[in-house]
Amino acid sequence: QSALTQPASVSGSPGQSITISCTGTSSDVGSYNLVSWYQQHPGKAPKLMIYEGSKRPSGVSNRFSGSKSGNTASLTISGLQAEDEADYYCCSYAGSYVVFGGGTKLTVL
Amino acid sequence: QVQLVESGGGLVKPGGSLRLSCAASGFTFSDYYMSWIRQAPGKGLEWVSYISSSGSTIYYADSVKGRFTISRDNAKNSLYLQMNSLRAEDTAVYYCARDSSSFRFWGQGTLVTVSS
Repeated sequence: QSALTQPASVSGSPGQSITISCTGTSSDVGSYNLVSWYQQHPGKAPKLMIYEGSKRPSGVSNRFSGSKSGNTASLTISGLQAEDEADYYCCSYAGSYVVFGGGTKLTVL
Repeated sequence: QVQLVESGGGLVKPGGSLRLSCAASGFTFSDYYMSWIRQAPGKGLEWVSYISSSGSTIYYADSVKGRFTISRDNAKNSLYLQMNSLRAEDTAVYYCARDSSSFRFWGQGTLVTVSS
């Protein structure tokens, strides 16, 4: 049940694209197509942005996309906007446990 | 609309116990797995436990196994977390969330503080 590995911080300018990586193991990310991504603004509950690796819930901008290769999942945000500045967490279901990443702080310059 | 409302948080001494509740509405509670997720102050999200729709399948994070017990009452549309032998490192906002593999719906959270 070790936490998934995410970069502590990423940054980008408005209009640019950024990618956040999330590395797990063959027991979690690598075994299940059940990676999800969450956006969290200070003092708020997390918001689901991507589920099942690449699917977007209704209401989430198509600027957010997800992918996976092997034991690593990725979240890409294109056309960065000021309101995208937040903490982002990946999460993987692994049957007998669920594991989150340590979180990535996105700064929009 | 889906609503999840946690309650029961508060200040408790190390070694003490607390029972959290989560009242669900806006969906057929008995159809869904439910989870508890926590977030220590200034830290990241940590999955705590999930329970199947019938209550027959339950899993816990290693950090709480043997101390916490998740349960549900489908007749009352409620989810519970009994927390025993609390430690300072259990201090966190505790969220209930619908499902077990991805979490579209979250409560507002309830703060548990373990301190002498």
